[in-house]
Amino acid sequence: GDSVTQMEGPVTLSEEAFLTINCTYTATGYPSLFWYVQYPGEGLQLLLKATKADDKGSNKGFEATYRKETTSFHLEKGSVQVSDSAVYFCALSEGFGNEKLTFGTGTRLTIIP
Amino acid sequence: ETGVTQTPRHLVMGMTNKKSLKCEQHLGHNAMYWYKQSAKKPLELMFVYNFKEQTENNSVPSRFSPECPNSSHLFLHLHTLQPEDSALYLCASSQGDRGDTEAFFGQGTRLTVV
Repeated sequence: GDSVTQMEGPVTLSEEAFLTINCTYTATGYPSLFWYVQYPGEGLQLLLKATKADDKGSNKGFEATYRKETTSFHLEKGSVQVSDSAVYFCALSEGFGNEKLTFGTGTRLTIIP
Repeated sequence: ETGVTQTPRHLVMGMTNKKSLKCEQHLGHNAMYWYKQSAKKPLELMFVYNFKEQTENNSVPSRFSPECPNSSHLFLHLHTLQPEDSALYLCASSQGDRGDTEAFFGQGTRLTVV
């Protein structure tokens, strides 16, 4: 079955540091890939997505590129802020007619001023 | 009110109690989901409803019973739960006919079983 593996947390960085959170996936077809973010006390929010190979999703300074050859969708940001502290989830969905999301375990990110 | 709303936000129940979680979406979506979020585990999909019909039950114990009376409302009825059922229960909705559309999540119900 489908699965998503993302780097174990927690991750602690200083403000303005470069961020990478690794995500790899296993899927039978050609899934869509997502990064969701969960701020303290809130539900999950979509951060960015990519629907086909070589697509780059981007939002709020975060980027991730759909790499079919390495089955990866790593999240990056060039300069993190304290407000980026949250839990980040990588996820996939199989596509048309199958809406369910398969999630990774989540990576807790803490940014120190 | 817009988005996905879950009530209650927090719930403490005994193992012999019966309670229900409620989810409501005002987004015009056709698909609704229940997920369980436990510490240090991936989000677990529990149930999927498409156009009010249950299309997925991920081997969830019968002590969890979903109900979807219409496309806007989703319930999770709970009875004779175990302490290991304590978790954050998240409801989500999406358009329901494409796999690349965004799922919108509620804030969750933090359930503690004592």
